[in-house]
Amino acid sequence: QVQLVQSGAEVKKPGASVKVSCKASGYTFTNYYIHWVRQAPGHGLEWMGIINPSGGSTSYAQKFLGRVTMTRDTSTSTVFMELSSLRSDDTAVYYCARDRVRVILWPESDAFEIWGQGTMVTVSS
Amino acid sequence: DIVLTQSPGTLSLSPGERATLSCRASQSVPSDYLAWYQQKPGQAPRLLIFGASSRATGIPDRFSGSGSGTDFTLTISRLEPEDFAVYYCQQYGSSPYPFGQGTKLEIK
Repeated sequence: QVQLVQSGAEVKKPGASVKVSCKASGYTFTNYYIHWVRQAPGHGLEWMGIINPSGGSTSYAQKFLGRVTMTRDTSTSTVFMELSSLRSDDTAVYYCARDRVRVILWPESDAFEIWGQGTMVTVSS
Repeated sequence: DIVLTQSPGTLSLSPGERATLSCRASQSVPSDYLAWYQQKPGQAPRLLIFGASSRATGIPDRFSGSGSGTDFTLTISRLEPEDFAVYYCQQYGSSPYPFGQGTKLEIK
């Protein structure tokens, strides 16, 4: 079945970086854009950015420019999200999510139909 | 950038009642590309509605979406116990793709 499986929980110190992975299966990896969304404890959903697994193009939310890098490895059908210069307010569950349908135009999107299980990232000294 | 505002923040209803949730956009959502998601504690969000009014695969017909432009509504016709959760709207018509702040649907 179609699924996204994320890496496990992380604990990092302020100033460090974290890299979260999201492995896709059950569909053609390069045909669907992948988004990253985060949710701080007790808060709502925050869109971070999008990656095109086919060519590797990315588009990031203004808030994360300069701190986030999204990459992919087509040989393992995996996308990665790396966030640097971590602060305590980066503590959150990080989700990857796939578009509902294949979108041809970049960086257009569709609704997020398939979600990973989430990765808890805790930033604490 | 488009900003989404959901109301009410919390809605207290009983099973069997009708729920009406609102999502207002700061500017018109291109192509009415508005989605609704349900999230339960400890779970990832689940897509309910896309394109403002189309139900996603496997979503019961008691869930319906309506609206266009800047005003959108999610209606749950008869609440089941499993419907009590947090609901988010999201626009995906133009980047960035923000979510509303959420409406918590709680049991009265």
